[in-house]
Amino acid sequence: SQQGEEDPQALSIQEGENATMNCSYKTSINNLQWYRQNSGRGLVHLILIRSNEREKHSGRLRVTLDTSKKSSSLLITASRAADTASYFCATGTQGGSEKLVFGKGTKLTVNP
Amino acid sequence: DAGVIQSPRHEVTEMGQEVTLRCKPISGHDYLFWYRQTMMRGLELLIYFNNNVPIDDSGMPEDRFSAKMPNASFSTLKIQPSEPRDSAVYFCASRSGQPNEKLFFGSGTQLSVL
Repeated sequence: SQQGEEDPQALSIQEGENATMNCSYKTSINNLQWYRQNSGRGLVHLILIRSNEREKHSGRLRVTLDTSKKSSSLLITASRAADTASYFCATGTQGGSEKLVFGKGTKLTVNP
Repeated sequence: DAGVIQSPRHEVTEMGQEVTLRCKPISGHDYLFWYRQTMMRGLELLIYFNNNVPIDDSGMPEDRFSAKMPNASFSTLKIQPSEPRDSAVYFCASRSGQPNEKLFFGSGTQLSVL
């Protein structure tokens, strides 16, 4: 079953604009991760934020986490055509489970 | 490191045939995961191993699916007999360290069952 749900399902922007994707989840987590998938390729890890963190940065990526609302957002600043990909959030649940459960992703298109 | 290696990259087979997908995890990683990706259901966890032992196979859809990990550097996912609804991209991923840490994915096997 899906734990995370990304929103929107698809996003189209112009190069240079910022892209914001959201993720909502249902159960308590110990961390939340964002992955990127280029067409026809495997997923690549972007960033991990732990449940006791509220914000994290990595290059042009900014992730926020609101555990009270069970939601996270991924912001990509100054987008480039090469950022065109699908982006997935994945949650690691509390309670000792070692699974990562993925949402269905947001398909981002950055137009040159 | 070469990363997680999956083979074959593409597999086309006829309904009823046996299909075997292969995965070599990153050396030193003690967790291995098999996922299936479809448009309808997204990315589903099928099974995962820790130190070559299957820990959770609750995502395996039915008895036609089986997975093994005979040693730390090799795992297989077998479908016998295959059906058209098994058509999907199958990913293998590995990791080490604390639970829920980041996964390293292979490039996937695109399976088409005709």
